[in-house]
Amino acid sequence: GAVVSQHPSRVICKSGTSVKIECRSLDFQATTMFWYRQFPKQSLMLMATSNEGSKATYEQGVEKDKFLINHASLTLSTLTVTSAHPEDSSFYICSARDRTVHGYTFGSGTRLTVV
Amino acid sequence: DAKTTQPTSMDCAEGRAANLPCNHSTISGNEYVYWYRQIHSQGPQYIIHGLKNNETNEMASLIITEDRKSSTLILPHATLRDTAVYYCIVRVEDSGNTPLVFGKGTRLSVIA
Repeated sequence: GAVVSQHPSRVICKSGTSVKIECRSLDFQATTMFWYRQFPKQSLMLMATSNEGSKATYEQGVEKDKFLINHASLTLSTLTVTSAHPEDSSFYICSARDRTVHGYTFGSGTRLTVV
Repeated sequence: DAKTTQPTSMDCAEGRAANLPCNHSTISGNEYVYWYRQIHSQGPQYIIHGLKNNETNEMASLIITEDRKSSTLILPHATLRDTAVYYCIVRVEDSGNTPLVFGKGTRLSVIA
């Protein structure tokens, strides 16, 4: 099967600081990864599509200068929340396009709390 | 646009079958029905998918109506660990690098 590792699982940071979240494909190469955000009691909302070696494509309403995405290798994509504010507190989930029959594997998510 | 409609929540007694419905009346001929679930504070997990025939795997069964406008996910013997939000998604099987789009799903509570 395909495994996606996401770290950290939870992080607390002070308002104004930056936080980096890593998403790694452990046993396959992922040319495309996706980043989602999920607020309590709500569904997953796509933030951006990350392609290895090129700039990410952001969904409407997602600030690309605030949510920096880097996909420099075939097994690693990172999401950096810059100058975090309490309203950025959320559950962030990555997903990678893979070769399984269903085509997508998800990370375990990162719970970000900005205080 | 929502391509699927699911009940907001359902309860199921432990040990009983959980039947989760999904309406997808505008499904296209080349679109499959996929089911994922998300246990609290975890990433989504693939369950099963199908085109028009009923499907069964170690996790669940998928029953698709003959007109393909609706389907039912069946967990034959629900356990407390099956408590989760279940998402029904329709999409083309080989959709390139397009992301999965999640609706609101059904929150299933399995009760002891």
